[in-house]
Amino acid sequence: DAGITQSPRHKVTETGTPVTLRCHQTENHRYMYWYRQDPGHGLRLIHYSYGVKDTDKGEVSDGYSVSRSKTEDFLLTLESATSSQTSVYFCAISGEGTASGYTFGSGTRLTVV
Amino acid sequence: GNSVTQMEGPVTLSEEAFLTINCTYTATGYPSLFWYVQYPGEGLQLLLKATKADDKGSNKGFEATYRKETTSFHLEKGSVQVSDSAVYFCALLPRNSGNTPLVFGKGTRLSVIA
Repeated sequence: DAGITQSPRHKVTETGTPVTLRCHQTENHRYMYWYRQDPGHGLRLIHYSYGVKDTDKGEVSDGYSVSRSKTEDFLLTLESATSSQTSVYFCAISGEGTASGYTFGSGTRLTVV
Repeated sequence: GNSVTQMEGPVTLSEEAFLTINCTYTATGYPSLFWYVQYPGEGLQLLLKATKADDKGSNKGFEATYRKETTSFHLEKGSVQVSDSAVYFCALLPRNSGNTPLVFGKGTRLSVIA
């Protein structure tokens, strides 16, 4: 979707290195989310944000941190990457009145070797 | 708590077959319900939604009806095409959710063969 972009699209990194994934939106939406997708687990929420500098943990937040210093950007950081964090990461956004649903980015495929 | 249960996949159908993917939910109150679709190599896209009991969401020939009495939101299509091959996710948003994010099922992979 043109209103949300993720970068990079693909990344290979070594165990123990820090990694930051970026989600950028042009919709001025309040809510932003980071999910990971793994076979057999579907989508699992890592962290989400409900405003600038307002974030909360999801069900699989261990080993991840986030920051949101401005409305349009939501960063996901793996402080010290592990092989268990090899996954496809999706960012999503939603506005007020969330019955409109989420808009997802195209994903980042991260491989930790 | 809030949860969504989808039928296990993969589901393999021949072109023009009838499709049903079952979805049931557990939630307090009456949530909004959604179906998302993920085509290979892409992110999830909203397929359809229903925000109250007995609502029917529809899009691209797919339909789902919000059934409060059976807490279900089954996805149906009368005649599938090869281009419908994808992973389908059922999701709910609790009513008066505040900051509560969408709750997703684990997804059902559909393969349609010509």
